[in-house]
Amino acid sequence: QKEVEQNSGPLSVPEGAIASLNCTYSDRGSQSFFWYRQYSGKSPELIMFIYSNGDKEDGRFTAQLNKASQYVSLLIRDSQPSDSATYLCAVDSGNTPLVFGKGTRLSVIA
Amino acid sequence: NAGVTQTPKFQVLKTGQSMTLQCAQDMNHNSMYWYRQDPGMGLRLIYYSASEGTTDKGEVPNGYNVSRLNKREFSLRLESAAPSQTSVYFCAGRQGGRELFFGEGSRLTVL
Repeated sequence: QKEVEQNSGPLSVPEGAIASLNCTYSDRGSQSFFWYRQYSGKSPELIMFIYSNGDKEDGRFTAQLNKASQYVSLLIRDSQPSDSATYLCAVDSGNTPLVFGKGTRLSVIA
Repeated sequence: NAGVTQTPKFQVLKTGQSMTLQCAQDMNHNSMYWYRQDPGMGLRLIYYSASEGTTDKGEVPNGYNVSRLNKREFSLRLESAAPSQTSVYFCAGRQGGRELFFGEGSRLTVL
């Protein structure tokens, strides 16, 4: 069974710090990787996706992928209280629905 | 564009009652999905439709049925609601290998 693991948290970081969110996956054939943010009472919204090994940056967000280690991470620089949310990692192995981790709850303390 | 629209947004049922959650998308998604989300359990896939005319079971299909009415619409039916089906339900759509787009969710309480 394909699995995606995330630390449930809560991960607490001070305002202005870097938040590091991690995700591991079991299917070595996984092809694409997505990070979603979900505020309490709201639906998940896409932050970033990454397909290739290495880093991908978008504003304050950086996704990092290491397929050999089956590891994908999301870095949030200059964390703001508005970044406080649950972050969901999702993995696509092709021809099957995305597999989601249970999410990491991030709390940014002002 | 409305995106992915779910109705109703809130519903209270008594045990044994039936209801249908409706989902419609105007994003030309081939694939559509129904998830439930419970505290500490993450998103769990109930059913999905990879393309118009096909449906498949996900991780937690028991107690549910689905209909892919056409490319735009994918409904989820509870024939005899149980308290264990109290949850937040999300419909989502996807085009090819791109990201999932979620509806706003439907909060269901079964008494």
